[in-house]
Amino acid sequence: AQSVSQHNHHVILSEAASLELGCNYSYGGTVNLFWYVQYPGQHLQLLLKYFSGDPLVKGIKGFEAEFIKSKFSFNLRKPSVQWSDTAEYFCAVILPGSARQLTFGSGTQLTVLP
Amino acid sequence: GAVVSQHPSRVICKSGTSVKIECRSLDFQATTMFWYRQFPKQSLMLMATSNEGSKATYEQGVEKDKFLINHASLTLSTLTVTSAHPEDSSFYICSAREWDREQYFGPGTRLTVT
Repeated sequence: AQSVSQHNHHVILSEAASLELGCNYSYGGTVNLFWYVQYPGQHLQLLLKYFSGDPLVKGIKGFEAEFIKSKFSFNLRKPSVQWSDTAEYFCAVILPGSARQLTFGSGTQLTVLP
Repeated sequence: GAVVSQHPSRVICKSGTSVKIECRSLDFQATTMFWYRQFPKQSLMLMATSNEGSKATYEQGVEKDKFLINHASLTLSTLTVTSAHPEDSSFYICSAREWDREQYFGPGTRLTVT
């Protein structure tokens, strides 16, 4: 069973549009949640993470994500995207008992049109 | 943030030969290193986890005799693809962390087996 699901495979937006990328996880207990970004030709970078506390997490480059436990979701948002946000975005989870191993979603390719 | 390097960034080899990929942590001690494989348009799939000085732990379905992992020092891990075949062609990514700290990713190695 897949632990992390990203249903949007490719999202195309115009600059200044608002962004929301979906991420759902399939585990009922406590999880650690992450969003990573991979710009073309570059390595994965951490955008933000949630371990506990305030379910609204703010990350780098104006991104934020909201942990909604009842929906098993951790959607990534940005109010106004830029051309430079064109990249692949991965949601990831650390499940209890996994020796802190990251399990990644299938990724969402975001293309921002100038 | 911390830096993880990989070498080579691209390699082309003939079927039946072996290829070694290096992963280095440049400014921290990588007590744990991870090797992932990423197929086009797909997620990162964890292949194995290695702790410095110990044998690697392989994920189910990953042939340990084919994908040899060595993590002999706190800054270097190697992945050797033995007797490579075209189906081994993929993007291989390593990551490293120091104890329970953040996991950092290398830029990846594109392997093409002809």
